[in-house]
Amino acid sequence: GAGVSQSPSNKVTEKGKDVELRCDPISGHTALYWYRQSLGQGLEFLIYFQGNSAPDKSGLPSDRFSAERTGGSVSTLTIQRTQQEDSAVYLCASSSGTAFYEQYFGPGTRLTVT
Amino acid sequence: SQQGEEDPQALSIQEGENATMNCSYKTSINNLQWYRQNSGRGLVHLILIRSNEREKHSGRLRVTLDTSKKSSSLLITASRAADTASYFCATAGSSNDYKLSFGAGTTVTVRA
Repeated sequence: GAGVSQSPSNKVTEKGKDVELRCDPISGHTALYWYRQSLGQGLEFLIYFQGNSAPDKSGLPSDRFSAERTGGSVSTLTIQRTQQEDSAVYLCASSSGTAFYEQYFGPGTRLTVT
Repeated sequence: SQQGEEDPQALSIQEGENATMNCSYKTSINNLQWYRQNSGRGLVHLILIRSNEREKHSGRLRVTLDTSKKSSSLLITASRAADTASYFCATAGSSNDYKLSFGAGTTVTVRA
């Protein structure tokens, strides 16, 4: 595809509900990343997928957060039992296998937990 | 955790003026990158400078890196309204470091 796409662009949910955020990386990119950006802050690394290797989940803030990547392409970030502090913009990025430093970002999903 | 810290937090300039922002970091790096973010959405990669480089240019952008001071600067010359955005520096500790560490950013407003 032309770029990284994410859906939905905006999501408003009630506290305690589960949400799923989707990321479609650039075709051919084997590396996929999820970041979280809270209001007025920089990006916080969440999780990294590289090909068929086990993902690096070290940035996930709690066990309510999980992510998967199916077929080495599309990824879904799931947040269970959402809390108000989960409100943020969730950004997905992808890169070619070895060019970790050149990450291409999607437009993000703005999550608001009420 | 954040490694880079941008300064200033916000900058307002007139169209045509130059904008300079700085980034300081704490630990040794392999490379440093600058990204632009419009309207709180996706980031666009602007430029990468490696630890063995001191200066790099790309169009109206000029980036410097001083590893002895652990700092970098981004200069945007002849600014335009379209340059209004937030600018972030991100560091990588090694060439294999995929966990980019971002600062909180500098918000630049270019007035017409």
